[in-house]
Amino acid sequence: KAGVTQTPRYLIKTRGQQVTLSCSPISGHRSVSWYQQTPGQGLQFLFEYFSETQRNKGNFPGRFSGRQFSNSRSEMNVSTLELGDSALYLCASSLWGASYEQYFGPGTRLTVT
Amino acid sequence: DQQVKQNSPSLSVQEGRISILNCDYTNSMFDYFLWYKKYPAEGPTFLISISSIKDKNEDGRFTVFLNKSAKHLSLHIVPSQPGDSAVYFCATTETGANSKLTFGKGITLSVRP
Repeated sequence: KAGVTQTPRYLIKTRGQQVTLSCSPISGHRSVSWYQQTPGQGLQFLFEYFSETQRNKGNFPGRFSGRQFSNSRSEMNVSTLELGDSALYLCASSLWGASYEQYFGPGTRLTVT
Repeated sequence: DQQVKQNSPSLSVQEGRISILNCDYTNSMFDYFLWYKKYPAEGPTFLISISSIKDKNEDGRFTVFLNKSAKHLSLHIVPSQPGDSAVYFCATTETGANSKLTFGKGITLSVRP
């Protein structure tokens, strides 16, 4: 089976712009979760989508949003980018949900200048 | 409020010796615990997990111990190999449809040849 794929792998944006990141889960997985990883921090949960519905949300501002399509592919959007949004954004898919074993993609490295 | 703590940011061990990585949690409702390993430029990879009904789970060189009364878990790697050098995250959850994994900040393990 192909693993979780994320595009693009690297991205440089300017403060105030918006960005869309994409994630394709493992075939058959209906749960997709997004995480932000910054230096010195662990993986901070952004949100989970399951069968096109947002099932759980972390403690992030409304500038962070996402959606899931009928084929389970997911996108994450960040509007009005701030310097502090520079991070590695990881997507993970799971068969049963975000509280079970998850398989991570390689991440998208976002740099905001 | 950090619910999952990995208090030692780094650990250095000689090849062939035991590596012990520790993790503490605060929420007594957590009932499933996982360890992930992360190499640079890659997403985290699932390593081993344990349910709260057990106090030990073994998989090859990796053993996870759970002490529920102390809200403490540890990962033992025996014998340690240079390829084990990576960042290790512990994660916990209260399993359920709307739950999520909560990660610690990670421990950087260096195994010296």
